[in-house]
This record gives sequence, structure tokens and C-alpha cells, in this order.
Amino acid sequence: ETGVTQSPTHLIKTRGQQVTLRCSSQSGHNTVSWYQQALGQGPQFIFQYYREEENGRGNFPPRFSGLQFPNYSSELNVNALELDDSALYLCASSLVADSYNEQFFGPGTRLTVL
Amino acid sequence: AQSVTQLDSHVSVSEGTPVLLRCNYSSSYSPSLFWYVQHPNKGLQLLLKYTSAATLVKGINGFEAEFKKSETSFHLTKPSAHMSDAAEYFCVVSDRGSSNTGKLIFGQGTTLQVKP
Repeated sequence: ETGVTQSPTHLIKTRGQQVTLRCSSQSGHNTVSWYQQALGQGPQFIFQYYREEENGRGNFPPRFSGLQFPNYSSELNVNALELDDSALYLCASSLVADSYNEQFFGPGTRLTVL
Repeated sequence: AQSVTQLDSHVSVSEGTPVLLRCNYSSSYSPSLFWYVQHPNKGLQLLLKYTSAATLVKGINGFEAEFKKSETSFHLTKPSAHMSDAAEYFCVVSDRGSSNTGKLIFGQGTTLQVKP
């Protein structure tokens, strides 16, 4: 059984650029959640996808968008990058979208915006 | 709205001594609570979870936590610290609101230092 994988591991962009981060969910999981972890902080929920539909969103602007594909892998897109977008971006998958199921985290993508 | 407060940003213990990481929660619903650990340059790993079954929850690597509704607490303990326990620990509550997405709400984290 393969765990949650994310790509790329690290990324450096400049302010105003756009970025796409990718996540492959654990086998059998249909729910993917994305979190942003700024340095020294706990992760913050960005949004969740369940069976290819957005299923909840945190307090992030619309320039943060996502997709989920039929194989339940997912993308996080960020437009018009700002310096404060520099963070570790974590993807988590779970069997279903509810509060009882464990979320399994990937290793994250470290984004640096210069 | 749900939230968690980790009462200590940094805890330092000697190897072989007990560990106590404190967490208080706020929830309008009967909460699902978790403790996750994050080692440097690694992803988050679930230590244990409480989902309204037994109030004393046992997790991996000898950790356990007790859910105390009257005190709105979910403190993490371990009888004897190992050097490998040094990491960042997060207390987490899961959303059980109307959306019931199960989104996780993290505390600020507690850095556990283990001295030889």
C-alpha cells in the first residue's frame, strides 16, 4: 500500500508567479485535504476535495484553488504569489470526508516566494 | 467553533523521565481529538485519536492521552522519554460542524526537547 506522496519537494518562485502542487492520495482514499503550515505555526486548513468536488474551504483567498481527478489525486494552484505564501504545503488523504477518519499526511512541498 | 490551545510552546525533559504535553480544546460538539507528531523534514504522523469511545486513549510509541470533558483537556503523556521523541507535537480537533468535512484544526504546537 502506497502512502500519500507530494511533488515537488521544494519549489522557489518569485512574487506574482503561479504555482501548482501535486498530491497522490493513499490507495482507496477518496478525500484529499490541503493545509498550509507557515514556519513555527500549526497547519491551517485550505480546502478539501471529496469525489472531485470541493467539500469545504478555510479562510484563504480565491487565488488558492484546487482540483481532484478521477483517480482522487489532487492539485493545489496558487496564483499571484505573495511573500506570505512561503510555507510548507501539506496534503492529507482519508477514506471518507468526516471527523472520525484519520487523515494521512504526505511529506509536504516547501514553497519559497522571493 | 472549535479550537485547541497548547499550553506550552516548548517542553524540555531528560531522557527516561515522564513527558506531559498539555492541550485544552473548545468545541460546540462532542469532539474528535488527535495528537500528531512532526519530526524535522518529515510529514505529520498520528500518535493517537479520541472519537467518543474510551476516555483513556493509547497510541503508538508508548504515548497516551486522557479526554477530560469537565476540564476540556486532552493532555498527552508518556512515562519515559526517549531521545527519538524529540519533535514537534500538535493537538488537533476535527470539525464536527454542519459541514462535517472532518477538517483538522491544529494547535500552535509544542516542541519537545529530550536531553541525555
